[in-house]
Amino acid sequence: GEDVEQSLFLSVREGDSSVINCTYTDSSSTYLYWYKQEPGAGLQLLTYIFSNMDMKQDQRLTVLLNKKDKHLSLRIADTQTGDSAIYFCADVPLDTGRRALTFGSGTRLQVQP
Amino acid sequence: DTGVSQDPRHKITKRGQNVTFRCDPISEHNRLYWYRQTLGQGPEFLTYFQNEAQLEKSRLLSDRFSAERPKGSFSTLEIQRTEQGDSAMYLCASSLVTAGNTEAFFGQGTRLTVV
Repeated sequence: GEDVEQSLFLSVREGDSSVINCTYTDSSSTYLYWYKQEPGAGLQLLTYIFSNMDMKQDQRLTVLLNKKDKHLSLRIADTQTGDSAIYFCADVPLDTGRRALTFGSGTRLQVQP
Repeated sequence: DTGVSQDPRHKITKRGQNVTFRCDPISEHNRLYWYRQTLGQGPEFLTYFQNEAQLEKSRLLSDRFSAERPKGSFSTLEIQRTEQGDSAMYLCASSLVTAGNTEAFFGQGTRLTVV
């Protein structure tokens, strides 16, 4: 089946850059997504990247995709305390027949002042 | 507010009771998804609808769970004979699928506690 793997925890200081990594197994994924979840809340779509792109930048967010290694990363520049949350990567594993997002277990980002 | 809304936000029920949750998607979205999330985990897919048709159900969706989307708009998720293991956050999402992009927008979720 499809697996999406993430490291569990990342701690950075305010103002530093954060890099959250994700690996996935399904090579048929057309789009890959990053979501943010704050405590007790639903998921907020941050950004996504089309699989034929290597990089996408959106203000403080940079997504890098290495399709050969099936590796996705999210870089947050100038990390702020308000960025503290859980970040999920997700894809749609078309090879499995699934037409809905499959999520990793999330990376908890802690930003220290 | 034109986002995805879920009702209720919180539900506490006794084991063995039935519960029903409602989701109102973004109005022009053709797909609606239900997910379950437990503490420390990512959302797990339960089922999804394309308009009013239920196209896929996860193995997680036991026969105690049923979902409907009768007119292709709002959806309900019912859990019969609730068990303590059903305690979780139930998330609804909707999307307008275009050119393979399943950009899904989530509601705030319904937190279920079975006591």
